Amino acid sequence: QVQLVESGGGVVQPGRSLRLSCVASGFTFSNYGIHWVRQVPGKGLEWVAVIWFDGSNEYYADSVKGRFTISRDNSKNTLYLQMNSLRAEDTAVYYCARGNMVREVMVYGMDVWGQGTTVTVSS
Amino acid sequence: DIQMTQSPSSVSASIGDRVTITCRASQGISRWLAWYQQKPGKAPKLLIYAASSLQSGVPSRFSGSGSGTDFTLTINNLQPEDFATYYCQQANSIPPTFGGGTKVEIK
Repeated sequence: QVQLVESGGGVVQPGRSLRLSCVASGFTFSNYGIHWVRQVPGKGLEWVAVIWFDGSNEYYADSVKGRFTISRDNSKNTLYLQMNSLRAEDTAVYYCARGNMVREVMVYGMDVWGQGTTVTVSS
Repeated sequence: DIQMTQSPSSVSASIGDRVTITCRASQGISRWLAWYQQKPGKAPKLLIYAASSLQSGVPSRFSGSGSGTDFTLTINNLQPEDFATYYCQQANSIPPTFGGGTKVEIK
């Protein structure tokens, strides 16, 4: 079935790095833009980054710009989020989510979500 | 960035009730609005996209309306599985932004 599975979360000290992965299955990964969205437990949703279906464009929230990098390997059906210079405020559950239409990243929402991976930044 | 304001932040309702949630954008976003449902410990689920289009597999008791800056999610004949938190999200421009959420609770 169509699914996204995140991994790579964990406990990390402030200032350190972590790389999250999101493996897709059940659909043609290279046809879809993918987002990262995070959520502090008990709080709302915060968009983090997006990458176009072909990797040609990527955009970031101001809160992570310059520290996080989104990338993808379409040959491996895998999305990544490299997180550097982590801060306590980056602590959250991180979801990857698919753009709702083939080759349309934004306007139709996000239709497939992973189960989330938890990142805790603490000394 | 476009700010999304949802109201109410919580609502108590009974099985069979109609629930209406509103979402206001700080500037016009045409019809590019999505609604999500989230249950505790689970990922969000897309309900509505493009303001009024029902996502495949979502029950028809969910409906969306609006354009420009004002949008509404309506749940008719509230069912036990509908008790959850609902978020709107503007999809008109980057960064996409979410409303603060509306928790639908059992009365």
